[in-house]
Amino acid sequence: AQSVTQLGSHVSVSEGALVLLRCNYSSSVPPYLFWYVQYPNQGLQLLLKYTSAATLVKGINGFEAEFKKSETSFHLTKPSAHMSDAAEYFCAVSDPQNRDDKIIFGKGTRLHILP
Amino acid sequence: DAMVIQNPRYQVTQFGKPVTLSCSQTLNHNVMYWYQQKSSQAPKLLFHYYDKDFNNEADTPDNFQSRRPNTSFCFLDIRSPGLGDAAMYLCATSTTPLGRPGPLRTIEQFFGPGTRLTVL
Repeated sequence: AQSVTQLGSHVSVSEGALVLLRCNYSSSVPPYLFWYVQYPNQGLQLLLKYTSAATLVKGINGFEAEFKKSETSFHLTKPSAHMSDAAEYFCAVSDPQNRDDKIIFGKGTRLHILP
Repeated sequence: DAMVIQNPRYQVTQFGKPVTLSCSQTLNHNVMYWYQQKSSQAPKLLFHYYDKDFNNEADTPDNFQSRRPNTSFCFLDIRSPGLGDAAMYLCATSTTPLGRPGPLRTIEQFFGPGTRLTVL
């Protein structure tokens, strides 16, 4: 069975400060991992994904995440927050052997950017 | 641009009145998913189609049904909406041609903009 835990349902950072959103996963097989972003009244947009290639993954909008097997973590970072980064962020996991690519989502972290 | 389209974006229905939500895709993906997302919660998978094969999640109420008449379209039918069914409904697609020729596997899911359902 797979699961994802996102630490902190709300995170606030000042504009220009480092963004760090935490995600820990549990999986019995080497997983695929994702970060999605959701703006109000919108669908989910893929930020980045880990598929067992490079452990440091770069995504859109200046975000990146590092897969750390020893810590079972896949934290999302951005060096300098922008007001437009305010949104809900979901970490997710899937089983590469699952033909249907079903995704297990974390509960989400709402990112607030302070001026 | 290839995309996932959901219509309408906002839907209002009355308690107990059947409602249908629509999803179409121009990506030619073989898997389509329906999610329910309530306020400040993660999306919850209701069911998905792998090609024509329908896969229902164990905890999806019987009140929710789905149809996929062809590759491009998928519908979500709520037979008797209750107040608790008010939510954002998200459609997503992916392609997973394991073991057969075709487009490369996408791995991630591509989401539509969602339909926000209000039940009066």
